[in-house]
Amino acid sequence: GAVVSQHPSWVICKSGTSVKIECRSLDFQATTMFWYRQFPKQSLMLMATSNEGSKATYEQGVEKDKFLINHASLTLSTLTVTSAHPEDSSFYICSARGGDYRYQYFGPGTRLTVL
Amino acid sequence: AQSVSQHNHHVILSEAASLELGCNYSYGGTVNLFWYVQYPGQHLQLLLKYFSGDPLVKGIKGFEAEFIKSKFSFNLRKPSVQWSDTAEYFCAVYRGSTLGRLYFGRGTQLTVWP
Repeated sequence: GAVVSQHPSWVICKSGTSVKIECRSLDFQATTMFWYRQFPKQSLMLMATSNEGSKATYEQGVEKDKFLINHASLTLSTLTVTSAHPEDSSFYICSARGGDYRYQYFGPGTRLTVL
Repeated sequence: AQSVSQHNHHVILSEAASLELGCNYSYGGTVNLFWYVQYPGQHLQLLLKYFSGDPLVKGIKGFEAEFIKSKFSFNLRKPSVQWSDTAEYFCAVYRGSTLGRLYFGRGTQLTVWP
């Protein structure tokens, strides 16, 4: 149980376009979802926390107008990278939290490459 | 500043060698501690966790970790590593109640030579 999926697993886009990444909890209801960014050989950097039906809470330094997060249901959260630039190229990982607030279940990640 | 420190950035071992990866955190109060593993091309998986009770916890694949409160440490150990243990290992601390979050260390890349 406790499976989290992400779609797409990788995406290549042109600079200036927008990209949407989906995160789904497949077998549980996720009251909270988290979005992380991971640079090569580095740790996970929390970008934002989203609670179902509420506005996302962004970490300091993360542009909320650039990284739009929507958590419209208990099983789906989306991250939209707007007007993507090459510096936005990274590995984006989501995680979901269900009944026990101490546990997070991680998705497989989405590799974004902006040309 | 609140932090989780992993002292070893890259560890290289031969098969059957013993492993210990250090993790220290700087938070006071109640914490929940985790070790996650990320195999090449795969998502983060939970290796083991400590919430309370016996400070020596056992996880999957023969890993264990010891919580030493006085040292603010949660070191990961394995008596005999295998080539398949090659991966990135992350220590994480959950702080807070229902609105809390995970704080990750920078990660340790373990390479095991056959």
